[in-house]
Amino acid sequence: DSGVTQTPKHLITATGQRVTLRCSPRSGDLSVYWYQQSLDQGLQFLIQYYNGEERAKGNILERFSAQQFPDLHSELNLSSLELGDSALYFCASSAYTDTQYFGPGTRLTVL
Amino acid sequence: DAKTTQPPSMDCAEGRAANLPCNHSTISGNEYVYWYRQIHSQGPQYIIHGLKNNETNEMASLIITEDRKSSTLILPHATLRDTAVYYCIVRLISNFGNEKLTFGTGTRLTIIP
Repeated sequence: DSGVTQTPKHLITATGQRVTLRCSPRSGDLSVYWYQQSLDQGLQFLIQYYNGEERAKGNILERFSAQQFPDLHSELNLSSLELGDSALYFCASSAYTDTQYFGPGTRLTVL
Repeated sequence: DAKTTQPPSMDCAEGRAANLPCNHSTISGNEYVYWYRQIHSQGPQYIIHGLKNNETNEMASLIITEDRKSSTLILPHATLRDTAVYYCIVRLISNFGNEKLTFGTGTRLTIIP
C-alpha cells in the first residue's frame, strides 16, 4: 500500500459525458501527478500540481483539467469524453524532490 | 531526460536471481536511475533508485556501471509475485522541484515455477 488513494476504482460512462477522478496523496506530500495509461500509448504524464499550483503539464488534452485543493487532494476532470479516453488513470504523490508513489488507479471505460 | 533501452521480455526461474539490464548511455551527471514495476494493471510500484553508487534495499539491488551508461536491477530470489513489467527511468531531480517520470516500454519479467 503506497498511501495514495484514488476513487473511484472503476468508472463506466458514455461518450460526451464528464467525469471527475479523485486522488488523495500520501500524508505530507505536496506534489500530485496525474498519468494516463492506455493500451497503445503506455504510461504518459498529464499534469503536476505542487501545493495547489500547477507546476508542469504534459500531454494533457484541453478537454481535461485538474486542480489541487487546500487539503492537497486533487481532482482530474475529463469532459466531452471520447472512446479513446478509455484508459487507466494513475495519480502519484511525492515530497518536493522525493520519490513518486503511485495510487491503485481508476479504470475509465467510455462506451 | 535521457532515454533508456531495456529488453522487451525476460524469463527467470523461481528462486533464482533475476538480473534486469538497462542501457542509458546519454545519462547526464545529475540524472538518477529509477526502477519501478507494474504488476498487471496495478499502480507502478517504486523499487529502488541510485545516482552513482550501487544501492540495496529490502526489495532489490541496483548496480550502476562506473561510466553510468548502464545499470542492472537484481531481484535476489525471484518469486512468482515478481512477475511484472519493470521500468528503468532516468530522471532529473533539480532544485526547482520534482520532475515527471517518463516511462518507456519496460521489460516484461516472467518468473517460471
